[in-house]
Amino acid sequence: EVQLVESGGGLVKPGGSLRLSCAASGFTFNSYMMHWVRQAPGTGLEWVASISLSGNYIHYSDSLKGRFTISRDNAKNSLFLQMSSLRAEDTAVYYCARDSRGFDFDYWGQGTLVTVSS
Amino acid sequence: ESVLTQSPATLSLSPGERATLSCRPTQSDTRYLAWYQQKPGQAPRLLIYDTSNRATGIPARFSGSVSGTEFTLTISSLEPEDSAVYYCQQRYKYTFGQGTKLQIK
Repeated sequence: EVQLVESGGGLVKPGGSLRLSCAASGFTFNSYMMHWVRQAPGTGLEWVASISLSGNYIHYSDSLKGRFTISRDNAKNSLFLQMSSLRAEDTAVYYCARDSRGFDFDYWGQGTLVTVSS
Repeated sequence: ESVLTQSPATLSLSPGERATLSCRPTQSDTRYLAWYQQKPGQAPRLLIYDTSNRATGIPARFSGSVSGTEFTLTISSLEPEDSAVYYCQQRYKYTFGQGTKLQIK
């Protein structure tokens, strides 16, 4: 059974940093591109970042302005999102998702809530 | 910037009725879309990929199509459990539409 389990969310002050993790199981992790998607309270879905199978190709949403870094550890079947210079507008549930065919996401984690507030 | 415009924003229908949800990309060369269903407190679930292919385990009442530049998700006979927000997504920057909230009366 494919499972994606996010962790690392919590309350952080504006300007602070946080590292999210996503533990993958039930599939060959290094065979899939992975993504982070976020959802601010009461709003829609926003793609955040993607990383290729080996980690060589990385893309970010233009809105992040270089504050986030996506990475993966294929040996540990894990995906990460390092977030810095956090702002109130980064408050959201962050999901990791598996890319099945190049842009559609066939499996999602349950999400981890990041709250940026003083 | 390519945007996806979903309509209507909200749809209220009765069980057994047919639901038609629209998604229009501003980029005319968009060829493929995906559709997701999200229920409150849950992660999104992939329904349709490559415009018209049902994802694994998705009931046959869900179908996707395209006519010109308008992409459509159709639910042929609504069930109470279809109450959710539905999102379309395109390949370009993995952009999502703003969602259509489907309420079952």
